Amino acid sequence: AQRVTQPEKLLSVFKGAPVELKCNYSYSGSPELFWYVQYSRQRLQLLLRHISRESIKGFTADLNKGETSFHLKKPFAQEEDSAMYYCAFRHNAGNMLTFGGGTRLMVKP
Amino acid sequence: EAGVVQSPRYKIIEKKQPVAFWCNPISGHNTLYWYLQNLGQGPELLIRYENEEAVDDSQLPKDRFSAERLKGVDSTLKIQPAELGDSAVYLCASSPHRGYNEQFFGPGTRLTVL
Repeated sequence: AQRVTQPEKLLSVFKGAPVELKCNYSYSGSPELFWYVQYSRQRLQLLLRHISRESIKGFTADLNKGETSFHLKKPFAQEEDSAMYYCAFRHNAGNMLTFGGGTRLMVKP
Repeated sequence: EAGVVQSPRYKIIEKKQPVAFWCNPISGHNTLYWYLQNLGQGPELLIRYENEEAVDDSQLPKDRFSAERLKGVDSTLKIQPAELGDSAVYLCASSPHRGYNEQFFGPGTRLTVL
């Protein structure tokens, strides 16, 4: 079965430091992976998707099929990046998502 | 645009009582999802609708949970009777169609079962 693992429940960094939120998946085919974010008192929303190869709010994520990873990175963290981040795997054309357990990012001033 | 609307936002009930959650998706969105999110975990899919048809309900505990989307627009998720372990956040999401690769989430309903 497909599984998404986010090994860190909490990641705390200082403002301006690089940040990497880890995500590993288990799937033998060609995956579609996403990062969703939930800011305090806001609803869960899409941050970025791997097929778009985009950078959103300075965040990027590269799919590494060899390591089955999709880590989220940002070179210089900002306080407003503090939030819950969820890695998600899409199942086929039904758009069903399997989410990881989430990582809370705290950016300290 | 209001986005996905859910009500109530909070609900506290005693065990063995029934409870219902309501969701109104974004206008024009054919696909609707209900997720369960336990504390400290990611959302888990309960059921997916394509218009009024439930096309994936394999994760829905059918002994006590039921859902409907009669006219293919808004949806109701019901638990009867509720158990202590049902305390969680129930999220609703929608997307324009099943091939669209973004889901739009509602604010969720936080259920506490005493």
